[in-house]
Amino acid sequence: SQTIHQWPATLVQPVGSPLSLECTVEGTSNPNLYWYRQAAGRGLQLLFYSVGIGQISSEVPQNLSASRPQDRQFILSSKKLLLSDSGFYLCASDDRGKYNEQFFGPGTRLTVL
Amino acid sequence: GENVEQHPSTLSVQEGDSAVIKCTYSDSASNYFPWYKQELGKRPQLIIDIRSNVGEKKDQRIAVTLNKTAKHFSLHITETQPEDSAVYFCAASLPGYSTLTFGKGTMLLVSP
Repeated sequence: SQTIHQWPATLVQPVGSPLSLECTVEGTSNPNLYWYRQAAGRGLQLLFYSVGIGQISSEVPQNLSASRPQDRQFILSSKKLLLSDSGFYLCASDDRGKYNEQFFGPGTRLTVL
Repeated sequence: GENVEQHPSTLSVQEGDSAVIKCTYSDSASNYFPWYKQELGKRPQLIIDIRSNVGEKKDQRIAVTLNKTAKHFSLHITETQPEDSAVYFCAASLPGYSTLTFGKGTMLLVSP
């Protein structure tokens, strides 16, 4: 079974600072990868997804970007954080062999002050 | 695109009662419907899913039913326990697409 790692677990950043969140996946190859954001007490907002190295689809226009430099690595970045970027960031993966079953990483809780 | 509506937004039950959460979807072509449970501060966990070729699936105290004609599916939890307290999300996916469209979630509170 696959294991998803995310770091850091928590992060406090000032407005205007850059951001880099990393997600890596073990136990599967060539997965689809996803970044979600969850504001406090709210639902899951899909930010980006990737079906392969260098292939990124954006669901919501914003000041965030994503990259997939390796098959099992997915990075979420920002050049300048906004207050509204605060939230719980979740990386997810699905195994193409088991179509659509998405599993989530432990998440990164980001607070922008 | 697909749209998923979930009701109720909050549900309070007594321990031992049953709980039902309902979702409707807009695109009749959707063929995969998972349910996730998210405890406070934790990641969502896949608890059960159903595909459009079956009408019901059961796993111990939880079951999911699907009505393709009406385009709705439901999560049923029997003999609820305090540890069932969490936010539950439904989702739907179209064939050929890997992305899931999520409902807004239901906060289930089970009182001892």
